[in-house]
Amino acid sequence: GQQLNQSPQSMFIQEGEDVSMNCTSSSIFNTWLWYKQDPGEGPVLLIALYKAGELTSNGRLTAQFGITRKDSFLNISASIPSDVGIYFCAGQLGTGGSYIPTFGRGTSLIVHP
Amino acid sequence: DTAVSQTPKYLVTQMGNDKSIKCEQNLGHDTMYWYKQDSKKFLKIMFSYNNKELIINETVPNRFSPKSPDKAHLNLHINSLELGDSAVYFCASRQGAGTGELFFGEGSRLTVL
Repeated sequence: GQQLNQSPQSMFIQEGEDVSMNCTSSSIFNTWLWYKQDPGEGPVLLIALYKAGELTSNGRLTAQFGITRKDSFLNISASIPSDVGIYFCAGQLGTGGSYIPTFGRGTSLIVHP
Repeated sequence: DTAVSQTPKYLVTQMGNDKSIKCEQNLGHDTMYWYKQDSKKFLKIMFSYNNKELIINETVPNRFSPKSPDKAHLNLHINSLELGDSAVYFCASRQGAGTGELFFGEGSRLTVL
């Protein structure tokens, strides 16, 4: 099946710093999704991207759908302690029955106050 | 009210036992999923169920059997539990099988001794 390479695997930053993480795939997706998982909780959708080249913001978060359809990145500006968690990218092909999101392996973010 | 609820949240059992995890969603969605999250936080799709059509991931052992009494419920039954089955199991739902947001439950942590 399709595999997503998500990097970095983990990040340790100071409060106030900006964060960038990305996902790449060997094959194209028609939808890119970014989720956040807090400890002991299920993932929650942050941003959904539906069009190649699309740049979408949600507060301090900005995500982009790569032109090649094989990558996406997520930026978090001015990080705060509650940004701590695991961030997952997910790709969805959307054709031939492949509407099931495939998840990356996650980026664990720790923010030091 | 919790949108996607799973029970139990924690389950500790012996190898060889049979156990079930229940999932209910009150969002009126017609598509439900089971994901397995391993110790490295990798989220892997197990099953997708849409309007009585069950899509089985071929890598899932046949000891795992999903059961959907109605479109608001998708339960997971596991026979002859093995040590490697220890993981957090997430139920999720969405409206339609397409690009709608995936809503996750809080997860059920299964520990097999």
